Amino acid sequence: EVQLVQSGAEVKKPGESLKISCKGSGYTFTTSWIGWVRQMPGKGLEWLGIIYPGDSDTRYSPSFPGQVTISADKSINTAYLQWSSLKASDTAMYFCARLEGGNKRAYDYWGQGTLVTVSS
Amino acid sequence: QSVLTQPPSASGTPGQRVTISCSGSSSNIGSNYVYWYQQLPGTAPKLLIYRNNQRPSGVPDRFSGSKSGTSASLAISGLRSEDEADYHCAAWDDSLGGPVFGGGTKLTVL
Repeated sequence: EVQLVQSGAEVKKPGESLKISCKGSGYTFTTSWIGWVRQMPGKGLEWLGIIYPGDSDTRYSPSFPGQVTISADKSINTAYLQWSSLKASDTAMYFCARLEGGNKRAYDYWGQGTLVTVSS
Repeated sequence: QSVLTQPPSASGTPGQRVTISCSGSSSNIGSNYVYWYQQLPGTAPKLLIYRNNQRPSGVPDRFSGSKSGTSASLAISGLRSEDEADYHCAAWDDSLGGPVFGGGTKLTVL
């Protein structure tokens, strides 16, 4: 069974750094793209970026230039999303999700989400 | 502003058939597969339809997807109270280089 398990909720202050994780199991982690998706309170889904864990090829959404860094450690089947300096506007639920097999697809399996709250 | 366009809300009564539209362009829906997700309150999105009209195992055949040109639709027949949720469409965008979403449609079962 394919599973994506994300790290727990975080409460941070503006200016702090943060790294959240997404561990995949039940499939070959290195041969499927993983994406990160933001959902602000009461809003829709927004694509942040995607990574291919096999070679760490990473693509970022043009809507979020330089705001986040996506990485992966294929030795432990885990993808990461990190911020170097959080802002209050980063408060949101963040999901990781696997891209369906093949070229130019969208997501099939999703993590449970990580709630990030940034407040002074 | 989302790349794909969905109506913000839709509604129907139990047993009715409702459709939700998703409009895009030649760089996304026009040249790539469309996906649909159901998101119940406080939960992660769940895949409902993939590759335009395919249902994952476990998804009832009351849910169906279609695509024509740069638009797609999700149809829900025999509406039930448990179908009340947010519905999101998605497709790969060749210009942006990743999968993009619609703004989501909140379905209310009256």
